[in-house]
Amino acid sequence: QVQLQQWGAGLLRPSETLSLTCAVYGGSFSGYFWTWIRQPPGKGLEWIGQINHRGHTNYNPSLESRVFLSVDTSSNQISLKLRSVTAADAAVYFCARVTPFCSSTTCYTADAWGQGTTVTVSS
Amino acid sequence: DIQMTQSPSSLSASVGDRVTISCRASQSISNYLNWYQQKSGRAPEVLIYGASSLQSGVPSRFSGSGSGTDFTLSISSLQPEDFATYYCQQGYRTPYTFGQGTKLEI
Repeated sequence: QVQLQQWGAGLLRPSETLSLTCAVYGGSFSGYFWTWIRQPPGKGLEWIGQINHRGHTNYNPSLESRVFLSVDTSSNQISLKLRSVTAADAAVYFCARVTPFCSSTTCYTADAWGQGTTVTVSS
Repeated sequence: DIQMTQSPSSLSASVGDRVTISCRASQSISNYLNWYQQKSGRAPEVLIYGASSLQSGVPSRFSGSGSGTDFTLSISSLQPEDFATYYCQQGYRTPYTFGQGTKLEI
């Protein structure tokens, strides 16, 4: 049973860099895309980007100039960095596992999620 | 980006009711459509993948249909634990965009 555990700084000042890490326990690390999704307070879900075990990334164009994803296969961890945060970046950030194909049991589905990390941006 | 539009944004219903939530994509996404349920303060959980396949462990009162641009999530007989927010998401092309959500309330 895969488990995703995430952590990182929850309070940032404007212009600082958001930094979060997600560790994957159990299950396979390769063969998936590891994804970051965020949810501003009271709002919907926004896909930030994804990375696989080889370091191949896809980013949301709306955030691409400020976001960087990395992977550490020795510890099965992925990391998110978002530069120059503003109040608009305040959200709950989730990491999730996505299967990058369709089969009888999945189809580009985020089927395992971290617990979420609340990020506040305030001066 | 592919835009996903859900309707309605909110829905009032009672235990035992049958409800339907719609999701429309701005272009054809074949059947690359997932439905998630999110309860307050928790991460979303997948209900339906591939537009119509039931995720393991999800009650059979949930069902999905559609292909191309128009999709539907149905709940046949609402239970108290079903009152939550529901999101559709396309897995056809990155960025894998979500609908804005449908809040199902008593």
